[in-house]
Amino acid sequence: GIQVEQSPPDLILQEGANSTLRCNFSDSVNNLQWFHQNPWGQLINLFYIPSGTKQNGRLSATTVATERYSLLYISSSQTTDSGVYFCAVEGSQGNLIFGKGTKLSVKP
Amino acid sequence: NAGVTQTPKFQVLKTGQSMTLQCAQDMNHEYMSWYRQDPGMGLRLIHYSVGAGITDQGEVPNGYNVSRSTTEDFPLRLLSAAPSQTSVYFCASSYPQGGLLNSPLHFGNGTRLTVT
Repeated sequence: GIQVEQSPPDLILQEGANSTLRCNFSDSVNNLQWFHQNPWGQLINLFYIPSGTKQNGRLSATTVATERYSLLYISSSQTTDSGVYFCAVEGSQGNLIFGKGTKLSVKP
Repeated sequence: NAGVTQTPKFQVLKTGQSMTLQCAQDMNHEYMSWYRQDPGMGLRLIHYSVGAGITDQGEVPNGYNVSRSTTEDFPLRLLSAAPSQTSVYFCASSYPQGGLLNSPLHFGNGTRLTVT
């Protein structure tokens, strides 16, 4: 089945810094989504982005489907950005297959 | 809209007991699914449904049953709980457009289950 790899596994930032999270996938996909799991365990959908670039406030995402990767950019990070960021892509059954996530800690 | 609602939030079971995790959504989503989240394993799909009366297995279906009698509800049943089923369970839903998941997936707040 399709493999989803996220990097880095852990990231520690000072408040105000920028960061880039990467998601590589092993096969072509029609569906890619980014999620944020906050420290209380809630999973929030950030982007549905099978291709192209989208922006939402300080967050933006780019997916280059032909090269099988997606990037999530966080600018001017805040402590509320802490948590785990997951990338998920469509598997062979049409369901979302999740990567293992990038754990982000933003220090004040 | 309440979105995706899961109950209970926490549950402790003894080995061999049965229980049902409830999931309801009020967004008229056709697609619903159950994931489990374990440390270091990410989220793994247990079962999913593309509409009322239709269910199918995901990556880790053993030990779990589901049914979908209405569009709104998608309960997950543990028939005989085992310690290996200790996990956090998430229900999710989506409105398919042209495919199964060509729209954002929305999650409930999770159920933390401990089996002793």
